[in-house]
Amino acid sequence: QVQLVESGGGVVQPGRSLRLSCAASRFSISNYAMHWVRQAPGKGLEWVAAMSYDGRNRDSAESLKGRFTISRDNSKNMMYLQMNSLRVEDTAVYYCAKSSGNYHGPLDYWGQGTLVTVSS
Amino acid sequence: QSALTQPRSVSGSPGQSVTISCTGTSSDVGAYNFVSWYQQHPGKAPKVTIYDVSKRPSGVPDRFSGSKSGNTASLTISGLQAEDEADYYCFSYAGSYTWVFGGGTKVTVL
Repeated sequence: QVQLVESGGGVVQPGRSLRLSCAASRFSISNYAMHWVRQAPGKGLEWVAAMSYDGRNRDSAESLKGRFTISRDNSKNMMYLQMNSLRVEDTAVYYCAKSSGNYHGPLDYWGQGTLVTVSS
Repeated sequence: QSALTQPRSVSGSPGQSVTISCTGTSSDVGAYNFVSWYQQHPGKAPKVTIYDVSKRPSGVPDRFSGSKSGNTASLTISGLQAEDEADYYCFSYAGSYTWVFGGGTKVTVL
């Protein structure tokens, strides 16, 4: 069964940086687009960033550009989210999700999420 | 990238049908057929229910159906069951390798 496990969350002060990791198993991320999605406490889902299977296409939500960067290491079957200049409003559960396609496609598998709390 | 517009809540009795709308723009919902819907129970990760506007993944009951007209996509749950009570989110490709979610709709089974 496909598995995605996020790690790297925790409590961080405003202005600091954090890198989230997503470990994939039982499939190769090199064949699929991958996404990060977040959910603030009691709020809805928010798309954060995505990267195509080959890394040639990648982007993040307009409101996060310049602060959040998605990357992947196919050799390790891992995906990452580098988050800089964190703000209180970035507090959320961060999910990594696999697309069913290499560019587009629904998010057919999700991790259980990692909680990031930005607080002084 | 403004969030797609969904009603905050809908409700229905067991066996009834409910429809959730998802209104975007000609740059997202209206431009592409990459609209999917996700069901999320409390404390759980989301699960895809409909993709490519109207396709159903294997294992999803056929009481779930999707459609699109212009800039508005819709999810219909027919024959509502207790286990359908959850939050539902639409999700659309918005061009230039960006995506956008709807604000979410809470479905209550009366």
